Amino acid sequence: EAQVTQNPRYLITVTGKKLTVTCSQNMNHEYMSWYRQDPGLGLRQIYYSMNVEVTDKGDVPEGYKVSRKEKRNFPLILESPSPNQTSLYFCASSLLPGQGDTEAFFGQGTRLTVV
Amino acid sequence: QQQVKQSPQSLIVQKGGISIINCAYENTAFDYFPWYQQFPGKGPALLIAIRPDVSEKKEGRFTISFNKSAKQFSLHIMDSQPGDSATYFCAASNSGGSNYKLTFGKGTLLTVNP
Repeated sequence: EAQVTQNPRYLITVTGKKLTVTCSQNMNHEYMSWYRQDPGLGLRQIYYSMNVEVTDKGDVPEGYKVSRKEKRNFPLILESPSPNQTSLYFCASSLLPGQGDTEAFFGQGTRLTVV
Repeated sequence: QQQVKQSPQSLIVQKGGISIINCAYENTAFDYFPWYQQFPGKGPALLIAIRPDVSEKKEGRFTISFNKSAKQFSLHIMDSQPGDSATYFCAASNSGGSNYKLTFGKGTLLTVNP
């Protein structure tokens, strides 16, 4: 089954404690991205990756890091989380334009609370 | 700068009615316009998409209308059902850009009353 898997689904942490949210896809997609979803603000892109070792900032990258060492994995790292990073996070993957249908497949989401 | 503006923010429709959600974009380089549907506790999923070479695309009860000159596109849900209650996001992307990106609207919470 084609899917994007995020872990954990729920996380409560304290300010300043480093955390990683994992994301893995089994569709051999080149393109992966992270979004945060906040009420009234929709889906805002944090970081994206167009291939292994190729990552770039999205619209709201401050306070986040990513890495793309393998094609299937794209972890999101919060080095020093703050309460304003409390949000619902989604990982997504897709083919790139020219490779085929660019439908984005989303994970189930990670609800993060920073206290 | 918000490149895709979506309205309304919320919408209540009676069962059997027509739901209409509108989006407007600014970047004339956009050439792919999908709509995503999100149920509570789930990630968004592609509902229907259109490219600017056509003015309308229909899939079952869902229709996208596209107006290239006005830089607007809309989602019409005919015979709306309670099971259609969800958040809907329009989006747009530029296939030819060096940095591919899907830009989303802020979403519309649709409630269909029985």
